[in-house]
Amino acid sequence: YVLTQPPSVSVAPGKTAKIACGGDNIGSKSVHWYQQRPGQAPILVIYYDTDRPSGIPERFSGSNSGNTATLTINRVEAGDEADYYCQMWDSSSDHPGVFGGGTKLTVL
Amino acid sequence: EVQLVESGGGLVQPGRSLRLSCTVSGFTFADYSIIWFRQAPGKGLEWIGFIRGRSYAGTTEYAASVKGRITISRDDSKNIAYLQLYSLRAEDTAMYYCSTYTTAFYAFDYWGQGTLVTVSS
Repeated sequence: YVLTQPPSVSVAPGKTAKIACGGDNIGSKSVHWYQQRPGQAPILVIYYDTDRPSGIPERFSGSNSGNTATLTINRVEAGDEADYYCQMWDSSSDHPGVFGGGTKLTVL
Repeated sequence: EVQLVESGGGLVQPGRSLRLSCTVSGFTFADYSIIWFRQAPGKGLEWIGFIRGRSYAGTTEYAASVKGRITISRDDSKNIAYLQLYSLRAEDTAMYYCSTYTTAFYAFDYWGQGTLVTVSS
């Protein structure tokens, strides 16, 4: 199973960033999203498609339907500049699943 | 506060083995799976193996990319998980992270800071 992410997305501060994660019928699976700033460990920002862990700003949201899951970041800030990874987890498997190749978000 | 701390990285010669440790605090270690990831320089995340908690008898799973060269174990009395990787190659050069999930299945909400392994002669 392959997850496809765009290598890069650029957005101006205050605007909305959308990062796509494509996979065959991914809408029938669960998707988690991670943010990784340079030199740091990943941080979970969305789990089970749409849920936000405690401490993650409401500006971060997720959706998942059909063949695409999407991470949306509203009112983008400079501190959001990072790599973002999607992860597909199939509830029928006892296995971490598959990770996308990552998307570099650049705040202009 | 939940903390995971990796140790044991460094420079290793090709063909040698390494053992990394993941020392955990802040939760009931024995109840949770520990997953090892790695990230080669400039590349994405790759899970390489994990060990389940005591409810699942500490069973292990390994990624195909390292199967046959990896052993993951845990010492619940010390709150430490171990990663052993054998017959190291240049392509094993990476930052190695341990992680766990506590809220949602395989949604990794706690990570260590990572330990760098460089395989070179």
